[in-house]
Amino acid sequence: DSGVTQTPKHLITATGQRVTLRCSPRSGDLSVYWYQQSLDQGLQFLIQYYNGEERAKGNILERFSAQQFPDLHSELNLSSLELGDSALYFCASSAVAGIHTGELFFGEGSRLTVL
Amino acid sequence: AQRVTQPEKLLSVFKGAPVELKCNYSYSGSPELFWYVQYSRQRLQLLLRHISRESIKGFTADLNKGETSFHLKKPFAQEEDSAMYYCALRPSGAGSYQLTFGKGTKLSVIP
Repeated sequence: DSGVTQTPKHLITATGQRVTLRCSPRSGDLSVYWYQQSLDQGLQFLIQYYNGEERAKGNILERFSAQQFPDLHSELNLSSLELGDSALYFCASSAVAGIHTGELFFGEGSRLTVL
Repeated sequence: AQRVTQPEKLLSVFKGAPVELKCNYSYSGSPELFWYVQYSRQRLQLLLRHISRESIKGFTADLNKGETSFHLKKPFAQEEDSAMYYCALRPSGAGSYQLTFGKGTKLSVIP
């Protein structure tokens, strides 16, 4: 499958802990986006990276950080976890070269449960 | 800041009935609007975008700038249309792919 892959699919941890979510974009896509979907909320944009550099920032908490590596995979680090951080975290990628269709390709998400 | 509102969390219609999923937005510039869909056990995927003016799976959506709306319509609902539908807005400007999503509407088509 050459689509967006996210690991882990499910993660259960305790308050105060730190976790790392990983995302591999589609082959050839330079941009990676992170979204958070909490219960009864839409997808909240967290952050975008393009070819290793931060491109746009949304409502990302200071306890959260992200980076994109030279091989274009990205990691979202969540620290000092709180119960309210429990959510589905989506990664998406897009092709930024050529015709800008604006289409995002989503992964299946990583479901984080903080107990 | 931009905002996308989908007033209905759940919409139930009978098979063969018309469908209209509402989407309203607020944005000071000239946005691009999209509809994304997530079928059961599948990934969120693009359904259609307003600039393409296309009909996908029988769905159409017209951008009404006066009413700041981008409602999704289909004349005759099918069971396979049951899914979560998200309206999304992309601000104008080159290189901006940040999409603002609504909270989604769950469409249930009753056989």
